[in-house]
Amino acid sequence: QTVVTQEPSLTVSPGGTVTLTCASSTGAVTSGYYPNWFQQKPGQAPRALIYSTSNKHSWTPARFSGSLLGGKAALTLSGVQPEDEAEYYCLLYYGGAQLRVFGTGTKVTVL
Amino acid sequence: EVQLVESGGVVVQPGGSLRLSCAASGFTFDDYTMHWVRQAPGKGLEWVSLISWDGGSTYYADSVKGRFTISRDNSKNSLYLQMNSLRTEDTALYYCAKGMITFGGVDYWGQGTLVTVSS
Repeated sequence: QTVVTQEPSLTVSPGGTVTLTCASSTGAVTSGYYPNWFQQKPGQAPRALIYSTSNKHSWTPARFSGSLLGGKAALTLSGVQPEDEAEYYCLLYYGGAQLRVFGTGTKVTVL
Repeated sequence: EVQLVESGGVVVQPGGSLRLSCAASGFTFDDYTMHWVRQAPGKGLEWVSLISWDGGSTYYADSVKGRFTISRDNSKNSLYLQMNSLRTEDTALYYCAKGMITFGGVDYWGQGTLVTVSS
């Protein structure tokens, strides 16, 4: 069974920078996994932030950026705002079986 | 404005069946892949299923394969999830989500419908 692993929790100060990662149990994550990133706040539906590794949606704030880092997909938040406190999930595509798998999620606390 | 509105979630007994619906508006429905994603209470997101724009291709997570069937009616701008042989572990908030023209992207989400499997 494929597992996609994220940091369980990260804490960042307002105005600071934090990087979340997304690792696959099958090996290095590449652009062919078409990583997506989503933000979810309590009681709300997920909101899309990033698709295909680094592309932003029209509503994605400029302080969010996606990349590949050391064999993982990464989401970097620069100049963190209090409203960025949320759970963040990555989503990877596994082409062989045309499956998608969500990461375990990272809870970001702004403190 | 893109809108996705799920419905059909209820309390059902283990072994029972249920059909969820997702009504789509604000975009050309038959141009896009659609997904179902679920979230058990207090847990993370789990991808459930995907259907191609024309319904010709469908894919499922191993946890639901053989029990759930995704379908769509492009004439009604609607997505469906037929859920059979339900288990207590299928209890979750079920979201429909819209794919993108760009391969692999997911952009808009509904607010979800709650399915509770309990005796």
